Amino acid sequence: KQEVTQIPAALSVPEGENLVLNCSFTDSAIYNLQWFRQDPGKGLTSLLLIQSSQREQTSGRLNASLDKSSGRSTLYIAASQPGDSATYLCAVRPGGNQGGKLIFGQGTELSVKP
Amino acid sequence: EAGVAQSPRYKIIEKRQSVAFWCNPISGHATLYWYQQILGQGPKLLIQFQNNGVVDDSQLPKDRFSAERLKGVDSTLKIQPAKLEDSAVYLCASSQNVGVGELFFGEGSRLTVL
Repeated sequence: KQEVTQIPAALSVPEGENLVLNCSFTDSAIYNLQWFRQDPGKGLTSLLLIQSSQREQTSGRLNASLDKSSGRSTLYIAASQPGDSATYLCAVRPGGNQGGKLIFGQGTELSVKP
Repeated sequence: EAGVAQSPRYKIIEKRQSVAFWCNPISGHATLYWYQQILGQGPKLLIQFQNNGVVDDSQLPKDRFSAERLKGVDSTLKIQPAKLEDSAVYLCASSQNVGVGELFFGEGSRLTVL
C-alpha cells in the first residue's frame, strides 16, 4: 500500500531564505507526482507535475525533483517571500491499474516571516 | 478557462441531518474526484468517476455517503445521516483523462457537524 510522508509538518523561515520541502513515498511504482499549495480555507492549487520519467520540473522560483528509486521528491523554493506562506502538499499517482487517484501526504505548513 | 466550481462553500448541520454538495468540473474533463480533507490531514479520495461511471469508491462509507454524476458532467455528493466525524472539507477535482495529467481542485465545501 502506497504511503506518502512529508517532514517537517511545519517550517518557519525568514524572508529571502532558500528552502527545501521533503516528500517520501513507499512504493516507487508511480505514474507521476504533483505538488500543491493550499492557503487557509481554500482549495488546492497545482504547482508542479513531474512524470515518472522526469527528474525535475521548474516554475519560476520553484523547482521540484523526483528520485523514484529512493522514493523521494523535494520542492525547492528560492528567495522565499511572505506570500509563499501556505501549506504545501505532495501527492503521488500510483502505477498499475489504480484508476488514477492521487495519494496525499499530510502537508508541510510553511511560514515566511518578513 | 473556468475552474472547478463547488457549492455551498460552507454548511453547518446537526448530526443525523443530511447534506448535499455540488460540483461542476472544468469543461471537457472526463474524470471527476471527490476528496475528504479532515483538519490537519491530506485529502483522502472518496470516489472517482470516469464520465458517469464509477472507477473507485473503495473508501466511500456507503452506509451514509452517496455520489452521482449524471450525464458525465456535474456531480453531487450526499451524506445522510451525518456524524460528528464527517466534519471536514469536501474537495472536488477534475482531470482530462484517468491515470494521467494534472488534477485541478475547486475551493472546497466546508462541513461542520454539531
